[in-house]
Amino acid sequence: QSALTQPASVSGSPGQSITISCTGTSSDVGGYNYVSWYQQHPGKAPKLMIYEVSNRPSGVSNRFSGSKSGNTASLTISGLQAEDEADYYCSSRTSSGSYVFGTGTKVTVL
Amino acid sequence: QVQLVQSGAEVKKPGASVKVSCKASGYTFTSYYIHWVRQAPGQGLEWMGIINPNGGSTSYAQNFQGRVTMTRDTSTNTVYMELSSLKSEDTAVYYCAREKHGDCWFDPWGQGILVTVSS
Repeated sequence: QSALTQPASVSGSPGQSITISCTGTSSDVGGYNYVSWYQQHPGKAPKLMIYEVSNRPSGVSNRFSGSKSGNTASLTISGLQAEDEADYYCSSRTSSGSYVFGTGTKVTVL
Repeated sequence: QVQLVQSGAEVKKPGASVKVSCKASGYTFTSYYIHWVRQAPGQGLEWMGIINPNGGSTSYAQNFQGRVTMTRDTSTNTVYMELSSLKSEDTAVYYCAREKHGDCWFDPWGQGILVTVSS
């Protein structure tokens, strides 16, 4: 199972919006609404930010939103803040019942 | 509160095995799956497999078939992951993470365990 494809890095100024893409296949991202997104600060464990493509867990800022079109899912961060600087990973369940993560995206707040 | 607390760092020689633990608290242990995910230094996340504490059934990623064993102890609410025939490429932080049956996302995660494989 190949990793889902994400851009290596995305940057934006405070207050701006950025979007991170996550491209898979019809056997994972395109086949299920089981895409989730995780934020990871250096030296810390990942934290769930979005589940089932577009749902936010309790306690996650509404500046984070998710969507999907075909085999590509997206995470948008609006009103970018310094604390959003971190690595972000997407994940999807696959047709074989396993799970696959994205290659990861480093978000830099300029 | 819901917590997954993992055991401490390990240093192993190539060819050896390592067994790490993940102790759950704050919820009904048998109502949630536990996944193991690893992250090599400076690299991304890699899914290793899943165990259902209710019955102990497991499913492993193809990359780890034959080398990984996941078990659980319901008396202590602890899940174990053993990886054998260690190579230097197995040096990584190993995380456990919880999934509510059928939800297909991971929340929360343990703090991670650094396993170093070096001669």
